Amino acid sequence: DADVTQTPRNRITKTGKRIMLECSQTKGHDRMYWYRQDPGLGLRLIYYSFDVKDINKGEISDGYSVSRQAQAKFSLSLESAIPNQTALYFCATSDPTGLVYNEQFFGPGTRLTVL
Amino acid sequence: KNQVEQSPQSLIILEGKNCTLQCNYTVSPFSNLRWYKQDTGRGPVSLTIMTFSENTKSNGRYTATLDADTKQSSLHITASQLSDSASYICVVSASGGSYIPTFGRGTSLIVHP
Repeated sequence: DADVTQTPRNRITKTGKRIMLECSQTKGHDRMYWYRQDPGLGLRLIYYSFDVKDINKGEISDGYSVSRQAQAKFSLSLESAIPNQTALYFCATSDPTGLVYNEQFFGPGTRLTVL
Repeated sequence: KNQVEQSPQSLIILEGKNCTLQCNYTVSPFSNLRWYKQDTGRGPVSLTIMTFSENTKSNGRYTATLDADTKQSSLHITASQLSDSASYICVVSASGGSYIPTFGRGTSLIVHP
């Protein structure tokens, strides 16, 4: 979905390196999310933010941090990458009001490999 | 704990055939249930949404059903096409609170010519 963009799309890094994944959206949604997806495990929530001043941990936040720089931007950082953080990472946005009932709109994903 | 279980984990069918995917959930209090389609290497996209008062919803060849009493949903795909090959994810949201949805692990569907 071109309304939600993620950079980079692919990244290979080494153990111990600091990595930042960025997400931008033009949908005007207040709510933004970071998920990781591993084969057989589905999507798991890392962090979510309901507005610029609101940051919440998801079910697997250890080893990750986030920054909500503006309504449209939500970044995910791996302070010291480790191999088991190799995964596909998705950013998503949602608007809980009206008829869409909190539909989530996903970015194209970032494939991260930690060697 | 809110949970969403999907079956089967994977499914292979021939083009033109029908199939049904299942979703059981324990999310409470229930607000709505969505089915998402995720093509390989892309983000999920919503197919259908159902609230408590709805028991069926169609989107082209996709028909979703909901039984709120038994907490079960199904996604039926009619006259499958090669482009239906994807992962189908059931997502259930609770009412009130933070509206954080609970994701199933998905069913991987492969349609062979």
